[in-house]
Amino acid sequence: NAGVTQTPKFQVLKTGQSMTLQCAQDMNHNSMYWYRQDPGMGLRLIYYSASEGTTDKGEVPNGYNVSRLNKREFSLRLESAAPSQTSVYFCASSEAAGHTNIQYFGAGTRLSVL
Amino acid sequence: AQSVTQLGSHVSVSEGALVLLRCNYSSSVPPYLFWYVQYPNQGLQLLLKYTSAATLVKGINGFEAEFKKSETSFHLTKPSAHMSDAAEYFCAVSENTDKLIFGTGTRLQVFP
Repeated sequence: NAGVTQTPKFQVLKTGQSMTLQCAQDMNHNSMYWYRQDPGMGLRLIYYSASEGTTDKGEVPNGYNVSRLNKREFSLRLESAAPSQTSVYFCASSEAAGHTNIQYFGAGTRLSVL
Repeated sequence: AQSVTQLGSHVSVSEGALVLLRCNYSSSVPPYLFWYVQYPNQGLQLLLKYTSAATLVKGINGFEAEFKKSETSFHLTKPSAHMSDAAEYFCAVSENTDKLIFGTGTRLQVFP
């Protein structure tokens, strides 16, 4: 009954370091998403994947890359972290790419870049 | 372009009082509207969604929202607040895409 699982839960990086945030879902969903949440700004879409093998940019993709490794997993990579990337990152999944589909969220990764 | 405005970043109510969280949307086509709730240190979970079947939508935990096209609103209400309702609430809109546009959120505090 795991749903969407994100690792790690917390991470502290120094400016310029790289890291990959992992996300896996066990609901056999086709679509997956990465968001960042910043105070007073709600959630903003970074990248999404409508199906295995496809990825598209969202509202704030600069400084990030993604990989849809298989149907279950969708990772987010920061190649050279910057303090502006300090945020809470959420992964979500939905059954299919469609505007009525419910998105299910992971518990988040809290990232600090010093 | 679609957008969502949540009026009031913080709302405080007493336990047992009416909860009203405001959401106004902008959309060029009939929208699909959602309310999500985020409890501390957790991800978002769906409270309810509007997909044109009925203007009054009932969700979990006693919450409901009414779609008013003339006012471009989708306010969230609950007749009687409970301490466990303290959380952050997000309104979101989707048009004919798979992307959700979120509002900036409203933090609800419930006092005993």
